[in-house]
Amino acid sequence: KAGVTQTPRYLIKTRGQQVTLSCSPISGHRSVSWYQQTPGQGLQFLFEYFSETQRNKGNFPGRFSGRQFSNSRSEMNVSTLELGDSALYLCASSLLVTGATEAFFGQGTRLTVV
Amino acid sequence: DQQVKQNSPSLSVQEGRISILNCDYTNSMFDYFLWYKKYPAEGPTFLISISSIKDKNEDGRFTVFLNKSAKHLSLHIVPSQPGDSAVYFCAASGGNTPLVFGKGTRLSVIA
Repeated sequence: KAGVTQTPRYLIKTRGQQVTLSCSPISGHRSVSWYQQTPGQGLQFLFEYFSETQRNKGNFPGRFSGRQFSNSRSEMNVSTLELGDSALYLCASSLLVTGATEAFFGQGTRLTVV
Repeated sequence: DQQVKQNSPSLSVQEGRISILNCDYTNSMFDYFLWYKKYPAEGPTFLISISSIKDKNEDGRFTVFLNKSAKHLSLHIVPSQPGDSAVYFCAASGGNTPLVFGKGTRLSVIA
């Protein structure tokens, strides 16, 4: 069974640009969550989608947005990039809503903003 | 306010000995706890979980202990192997809320 797939793996963008990251969850999983990992900060929750609806949102500015499609694939978008947005962005999928069962992570997208 | 705390940023253990990684939480609503292992440039890998109705869960070399009164959980790895060297994250959730992660503990198993 294929795991969680995130594309692209690496990305370099310039300040002020926008970026879209993609996540394909494990087949049959309906919940997708996004996390940002920066050095020394652990994993910070961005948002969670279940059946195309945003269920939870973390404490990030409105420049960070996401959506989920009917096939459970999810995208997150960051507009007006700032240097501080450089991080590893991780997507996790789970069968049920996050917190009810274990979540499985993709390999992440390493975003560098220059 | 950090709801899940891993107070040891790093830990070194000899191969074959026991590794004990600790995690404290503050939110009494948390009822489901997980440990993840992460290698550089990879996503976290699920290791083991425990619900609040239990105080111990074992899976091979990995055992998680939960002390609800102390709001403390620990992960024991016995015996430790060099391949266990990674960053370990503790995570918690409650009432279908998103997973809240600690900042991680870097484990180094020395041969």
